[in-house]
Amino acid sequence: QVQLKESGPGLVQPSETLSLTCTVSGFSLTSYSVSWVRQPSGKGPEWMGRMWYDGDTAYNSALKSRLSISRDTSKNQVFLKMNSLQTDDTGTYYCTRDSNYITPPMDAWGQGASVTVSS
Amino acid sequence: IQLTQSPSLLSASVGDRVTLSCKGSQNINNYLAWYQQKLGEAPKLLIYNTNSLQTGIPSRFSGSGSGTDYTLTISSLQPEDVATYFCYQYNNGWTFGGGTKLELK
Repeated sequence: QVQLKESGPGLVQPSETLSLTCTVSGFSLTSYSVSWVRQPSGKGPEWMGRMWYDGDTAYNSALKSRLSISRDTSKNQVFLKMNSLQTDDTGTYYCTRDSNYITPPMDAWGQGASVTVSS
Repeated sequence: IQLTQSPSLLSASVGDRVTLSCKGSQNINNYLAWYQQKLGEAPKLLIYNTNSLQTGIPSRFSGSGSGTDYTLTISSLQPEDVATYFCYQYNNGWTFGGGTKLELK
């Protein structure tokens, strides 16, 4: 059974760094990519970036200067770090199982991690 | 690539045939997916590669389109289809549309 679960702090101070962990099960990080998607309340989703199955990364150009995605395949975990957080970074952050060019895009999602940026 | 969905809000009755539109600012080359998001839940993949039905999704959902214009059709609306629907392109970068909220009339 494919599962993804986000974990991390629910509250982050402005200008601080957000660190989230996505722990996956039911598939291999070396066979599937993992993308991070965020969604402000009441708005559409925004693709943030991805960890490709081969270890390469890709980032949304609007976030690239602040964002870093890494992984630990031995722990089945993918990590997101984003610095210089502001209030408009508040929202729900999802990790998703993403395509390896053959499989469908973002066919499994975590439950989401709610992040509030506030002092 | 920017994606524009229309309408932003759609009211329909149970049993209606419903059509949602997604238009790209550039050619999407059929790399277009549709997601359904119910209140308080994560999005769920319905359709990928324009018209491929994801496993487990009812056959009343279908997708079509080409170039810059794509459509999600629900052949007979059911109460459980009340949700917001997002299109998503993965041809050139990765972007979502703004969504269409579908409600019962």
